Amino acid sequence: GENVEQHPSTLSVQEGDSAVIKCTYSDSASNYFPWYKQELGKGPQLIIDIRSNVGEKKDQRIAVTLNKTAKHFSLHITETQPEDSAVYFCAANPRSGSARQLTFGSGTQLTVLP
Amino acid sequence: ETGVTQTPRHLVMGMTNKKSLKCEQHLGHNAMYWYKQSAKKPLELMFVYSLEERVENNSVPSRFSPECPNSSHLFLHLHTLQPEDSALYLCASSQVVIRIAGVSNGELFFGEGSRLTVL
Repeated sequence: GENVEQHPSTLSVQEGDSAVIKCTYSDSASNYFPWYKQELGKGPQLIIDIRSNVGEKKDQRIAVTLNKTAKHFSLHITETQPEDSAVYFCAANPRSGSARQLTFGSGTQLTVLP
Repeated sequence: ETGVTQTPRHLVMGMTNKKSLKCEQHLGHNAMYWYKQSAKKPLELMFVYSLEERVENNSVPSRFSPECPNSSHLFLHLHTLQPEDSALYLCASSQVVIRIAGVSNGELFFGEGSRLTVL
């Protein structure tokens, strides 16, 4: 089955700096890679996703890059703000959009220091 | 109400108790899920009800029993739990679409979770 490794487990950045979270996956058949953000006391919420037919996707201050050859993908947050502080989860799926096979990483606790 | 609602938000139970977690989704989705979230670990999928089919993670102990009476409601029945079952239990829903190329599912919408403590 799929195995997703996520690093780092904790990350602290100064407000305004960039944050990068990296994930690797094992199943070359995976073709859908969502990122979820979980704020304290809340459930995870999808913030961005990417499919294997593209290498990069941007949404305002958030971007995700995918390297299928190396089997890794990354989340980039620019101009970080205190409200970006949360736990971020990456995930991979070997069949496009089938949540039954969604495998999550272990999460990254991001802290944005004012 | 909108979104995915879970009750109770917090539950403390002894190992001999029987309790249930409840989830309700108001999004018109056709699939519902139970996930277990433990500290420093990946989200673990426990059960899925999708397209009138139940899929389960074979590693989930039988002391956890799901029930899905309709597409909007999902329960997780708990009995004779162990302290290591203490965790945050998350319910989620999604809209599964069947396409020629295969099953396609959009975004998972999670509830806020039920924090379970087993004494």
